Amino acid sequence: AQTVTQSQPEMSVQEAETVTLSCTYDTSESNYYLFWYKQPPSRQMILVIRQEAYKQQNATENRFSVNFQKAAKSFSLKISDSQLGDTAMYFCAFMKHVSTSGTYKYIFGTGTRLKVLA
Amino acid sequence: EPEVTQTPSHQVTQMGQEVILRCVPISNHLYFYWYRQILGQKVEFLVSFYNNEISEKSEIFDDQFSVERPDGSNFTLKIRSTKLEDSAMYFCASTWDTESLGKHTADTQYFGPGTRLTVL
Repeated sequence: AQTVTQSQPEMSVQEAETVTLSCTYDTSESNYYLFWYKQPPSRQMILVIRQEAYKQQNATENRFSVNFQKAAKSFSLKISDSQLGDTAMYFCAFMKHVSTSGTYKYIFGTGTRLKVLA
Repeated sequence: EPEVTQTPSHQVTQMGQEVILRCVPISNHLYFYWYRQILGQKVEFLVSFYNNEISEKSEIFDDQFSVERPDGSNFTLKIRSTKLEDSAMYFCASTWDTESLGKHTADTQYFGPGTRLTVL
């Protein structure tokens, strides 16, 4: 069964500094998608970044980038120049293909609570 | 930019009552989902819906739960007889069908803002 592990329940970073959130996953599939979602106190789920497993190049979205290590099944999120608005819960997610139905669902990690300090 | 909407934002109900949570997915999307997040815990998959039928459901999604797409735009989650442990945030999500490496795949899921359900 696919699992997603986020080993850091809480982290903090000074404003303008860089922080890396870790995520590991387990799967036997060869092609899949990985995501990071941000959940601020409003509890809305906001897509931060996505990575397709067949692409070797790490995804980047402005201050957010990933370090995708397929062989190690690792998918960490780096936030550069941290801002106060980055304070949120961050969830790593694996998109699983359900072969019996041909559809997809997300498997989420337990989340990392990030606090950006002024 | 199109977005997924959910109503109500907060629903308070008495144990044993029926509730219907409503979602309007993004208009050209084909796959629809409900997820649940108990306070302080991770987001858990409940059910996926495609081509007017349930395509996958989790063990949480028992006989008390049902989903419907009554009119081609709304996507509803009904809980027939609520329990205290149903108190959670419920997220609706939707996505479209795309093709990647010659295979059809469902792309990024877009989440609604959630409905907070409180069962007393």
